[in-house]
Amino acid sequence: QITLKESGPTLVKPKQTLTLTCSFSGFSLNTTEVAVGWIRQSPGKAPEWLALIYWDDDKRYSPSLKSRLTITKDTSKNQVVLTMTNMDPVDTATYYCAHKNFVIVRGVIISGWFDPWGQGTLVTVSS
Amino acid sequence: SYELTQPPSVSVSPGQTARITCSGDALPKKYVYWYQQKSGQAPVLVIHEDSKRPSGIPERFSGSSSGTLATLTISGAQVEDEADYYCYSTDTNGNHKVFGGGTKLTVL
Repeated sequence: QITLKESGPTLVKPKQTLTLTCSFSGFSLNTTEVAVGWIRQSPGKAPEWLALIYWDDDKRYSPSLKSRLTITKDTSKNQVVLTMTNMDPVDTATYYCAHKNFVIVRGVIISGWFDPWGQGTLVTVSS
Repeated sequence: SYELTQPPSVSVSPGQTARITCSGDALPKKYVYWYQQKSGQAPVLVIHEDSKRPSGIPERFSGSSSGTLATLTISGAQVEDEADYYCYSTDTNGNHKVFGGGTKLTVL
């Protein structure tokens, strides 16, 4: 059974850097065709994809937030860490991490989806 | 950037069929995925790759996609199906991974 859990501060001040940790079990990021992503959801809004890290350490970021995001993995601890710089009140949201499933045909990823998700952690940005 | 468009709300009576649509220019080439989110909970996958239902999801949930329009169908909607539903897909390059704006399903 795959489970994920987010941890980190619940309150950050504007301009500070947010660091969130995703601790997971039931799979390993040493295994091929595995990835972990971060998604956030502002109150009353749709989810917004932020970042993704693959088993081979390839990384992808939301184009609109790329300059502020860094995603890393620690396979020995089964953890993925997301940092977001220069936090602003508009970044107030529930931040989720999620396992990503893939279908790969002849070495090409033809589909991928997030499942399951962690329970999420609410981060409020306020002075 | 890339966008997926959903109706803000859909309302049906219990036992009726609910249909939630999602439109996007890249859908003819990209799969769509559907998530159900109940109040205060994390999203749960109900359909992947346009029409495949994960294990544990009731058979009344089905999906289809044709051209630029994908549809989530709940046949015989139940009160417990009340939730927000989001479609998810990518642009043709895969660089923009986006969720639709969400549809609030009311069953009463």
